[in-house]
Amino acid sequence: QQQVKQSPQSLIVQKGGISIINCAYENTAFDYFPWYQQFPGKGPALLIAIRPDVSEKKEGRFTISFNKSAKQFSLHIMDSQPGDSATYFCAASVNGGTSYGKLTFGQGTILTVHP
Amino acid sequence: KAGVTQTPRYLIKTRGQQVTLSCSPISGHRSVSWYQQTPGQGLQFLFEYFSETQRNKGNFPGRFSGRQFSNSRSEMNVSTLELGDSALYLCASSLQGAGTEAFFGQGTRLTVV
Repeated sequence: QQQVKQSPQSLIVQKGGISIINCAYENTAFDYFPWYQQFPGKGPALLIAIRPDVSEKKEGRFTISFNKSAKQFSLHIMDSQPGDSATYFCAASVNGGTSYGKLTFGQGTILTVHP
Repeated sequence: KAGVTQTPRYLIKTRGQQVTLSCSPISGHRSVSWYQQTPGQGLQFLFEYFSETQRNKGNFPGRFSGRQFSNSRSEMNVSTLELGDSALYLCASSLQGAGTEAFFGQGTRLTVV
């Protein structure tokens, strides 16, 4: 019940295209859903995050869509650029209880943007 | 504003030895979480400290331990190293813990030979 399932494992997109990464969860207690971007040799960097009281959040070229009833959320990268090539992780957490400080991560998506 | 600093960046240890990794969180952040990242298991939660108290612990053996100091800096220790402990160890700092923005350091790459 603590799992977050992420798909696809890898994604190849042409420059200027839209990259879409999906995540699904089971634990309805999750109340915070961040996305992280990780380049080789670096730690994950927080991209954008959403809470379940909104269905969409946009920051620049990055948009999170959230479907509470389906227990799914997705990351859309508009106008994908070669510099976006990285591994992307979705995550989820419960704020409080016995879950302090714990982010549950998806398995990651390796995004390659071809010029 | 300085980010999360982890030291050392790289470590090579022999099986059976112990190792201590350090994490300095962002100034003002009181929560520090530790994660192990491997190609097979992904990012797995080790434990979280807030104001010097461990509030949460993941499913790792007792060989993995940690502590937090009064200045919020944190250390994690792995005793009796095994080959399978080879991984990237990441710490994340946040104001209050999960449910608020968490920022990761660059990690410590531990290789056990």
